[in-house]
Amino acid sequence: KNEVEQSPQNLTAQEGEFITINCSYSVGISALHWLQQHPGGGIVSLFMLSSGKKKHGRLIATINIQEKHSSLHITASHPRDSAVYICAALLSNTGNQFYFGTGTSLTVIP
Amino acid sequence: DAGITQSPRHKVTETGTPVTLRCHQTENHRYMYWYRQDPGHGLRLIHYSYGVKDTDKGEVSDGYSVSRSKTEDFLLTLESATSSQTSVYFCATRGTGGMSYGYTFGSGTRLTVV
Repeated sequence: KNEVEQSPQNLTAQEGEFITINCSYSVGISALHWLQQHPGGGIVSLFMLSSGKKKHGRLIATINIQEKHSSLHITASHPRDSAVYICAALLSNTGNQFYFGTGTSLTVIP
Repeated sequence: DAGITQSPRHKVTETGTPVTLRCHQTENHRYMYWYRQDPGHGLRLIHYSYGVKDTDKGEVSDGYSVSRSKTEDFLLTLESATSSQTSVYFCATRGTGGMSYGYTFGSGTRLTVV
C-alpha cells in the first residue's frame, strides 16, 4: 500500500505542449513537495506547498487539500524538461518523514 | 561548496564485506536521511536522524546501521553487503522551518555488490 500515488507513470509530449502530472494521497498532509530528477542526476527541489498554488517560471504547482490531490503543470514544455518528477507528502501523522510517489518519467520530444 | 556531499560517488564491493557511505552537510540542518532508490520503487527510507546521536529506523532498515556523531555527518553502514543492497543511495537533509523545510538531496552513491 502506497500512501502517495502519482499518475501517469510515463508521459511523452511534443515540445510546446502543456503538461500535467498528478499526485494523490490517502490521508491528511502537512506539506507536499515536488522534486525533479534528471537521468543519472541528482534530485532537486521544485516546490514545497501546503495550500493553494505556486509558480516558478514555466512550472506551476497546485494543491487541493479537501480532494487530497496536487498537480504539477509545465507550460510550453521543452526537451530540457525531460526528467522524472516526484511528489513527496509529509503526512500529518508521521512527524518528520516524507512519503514518496514512484515518480512520473517525462520525455519531451523536439 | 556544495550543501551536501556524498562519498564515495560510486563503489563496487564484494558480498559479505562491510561498507560505509558518508553524507556531509554544510546546511546546519537538523534532520538527515538515507534513502535507497530502485527501479519500480519510490525513494525508500532506510534510517533518519533528528539530531546528534538521535536516529531512527525507516521502512527498509534491515542490514543497515547509521551513526551521527556530529551535526554535519551522517554515516550509513552496510554490515555485510548483499546483492539485494545494490542500489543508488541518496542522503537528504531538512531544516525545521521556512524555506529550509523542504529536502536538500546529495548527488547519490551508486553501490554495486557483486
